[in-house]
Formats: sequence, structure tokens, C-alpha cells
Amino acid sequence: EAGVTQFPSHSVIEKGQTVTLRCDPISGHDNLYWYRRVMGKEIKFLLHFVKESKQDESGMPNNRFLAERTGGTYSTLKVQPAELEDSGVYFCASSQIFGSYEQYFGPGTRLTVT
Amino acid sequence: KQEVTQIPAALSVPEGENLVLNCSFTDSAIYNLQWFRQDPGKGLTSLLLIQSSQREQTSGRLNASLDKSSGRSTLYIAASQPGDSATYLCAVTLSGGYNKLIFGAGTRLAVHP
Repeated sequence: EAGVTQFPSHSVIEKGQTVTLRCDPISGHDNLYWYRRVMGKEIKFLLHFVKESKQDESGMPNNRFLAERTGGTYSTLKVQPAELEDSGVYFCASSQIFGSYEQYFGPGTRLTVT
Repeated sequence: KQEVTQIPAALSVPEGENLVLNCSFTDSAIYNLQWFRQDPGKGLTSLLLIQSSQREQTSGRLNASLDKSSGRSTLYIAASQPGDSATYLCAVTLSGGYNKLIFGAGTRLAVHP
């Protein structure tokens, strides 16, 4: 069974540009989460989808961040326009909607805004 | 507000030692607690998940305990090996199960031959 995948693995963009990150969860996992770690800080929650619906987006830093999960499968996280403080590693995780809710993480996308 | 603290921040031990990593959380109303491992430049690998009704979980040389009332969990690694070198993260979910994970800052472990 394939794990959580994320694309791209690295992205370097200039301030003001737009970047779109993609996450493919484990097949059958209706819960999908985005997290990020900025330099020197703990991993922080961004938002949570249940299927295609946003369950909790309390961690989204501002309206420059837009997440979608059309059809309840893969998800995208768009940053527009990117700022220097958006640099960090963005992780995606998924879990089932029953049982232990154990979250499985992808390898992350390292975003560098210059 | 739930806060998760991990002590120590870094640890260096010789191969073969048994060691304990500590995690504490401020709000005892948790649903479960997960221990993760992160290798440099890689994603998070789930090691153990303890549900709030459980006291411990074991996987190979790893044993995680949970004392919900005191807000503490420990990860015990037996007979450490150089391959255990990584950052170990503790995270909790609040009651509700499918909620977000709240992470500690991690313990960076180095096991030298």
C-alpha cells in the first residue's frame, strides 16, 4: 500500500510568487491534514479536511493560504503571494475516520522563499 | 491551551545504552498520544500510538507509557543502536480523536558506536 505522497519535494520561489503544493493521502483515508514547520519551531497544524469538507482551518496563518480537496482525494495548498516567513517544511498527513485515527505523514515539501 | 514539552532537547549516548525520552502535556483531556521518529530531511514515521484508555504500547525495542492523569508519557528505547539516531517527536490529539496533532519540539538523539 502506497503511503502519503507529496509534490514537489523542494520548491524555491521569489517573494510575491505563487506556489502550489500537492498531497496524495493513503487510499481510503478520509481525514487529511496539513502541518508545517518553520525554522526552529515545532510542527504546527494548518488545517484538516474530512473528505472534501474543511473540518478545521484554525491554523491557517492568513488569507494568502488556500487549501482545496476537490472530490475528497488529493489536496492542494496554494500560497499566493508568498512571503519570506512562509519558508519551511509543509507536511501532509492522513488517517481513517474510524479506529485509532493514527496519522501517517508524507515526506514533506521544503519551501524556500527568497 | 494544550502545550507539549519534551525533555531533554538533545541526547548523546553510547551504543547499547537503555534510554528514556520524556513528554509532558498540560491538558489531560487527550484522545491519544503518538510518538514519531524523524530522520534528517525526511518525513515523520509513526512509532507508537497510545490511546487514552491504555497505559503502554510496545514495538520491538520500543516501549511507550502513558500516565494521563499526570500529563506524562515516556518512550523507552532498549539497547540503543547507531541506527536509532534521529529526532523523536511526541504529539497528542485532544478528545474527539480525529482532531489535529499538537507537537512537542522533539528530542534529538545521537547514538555513537
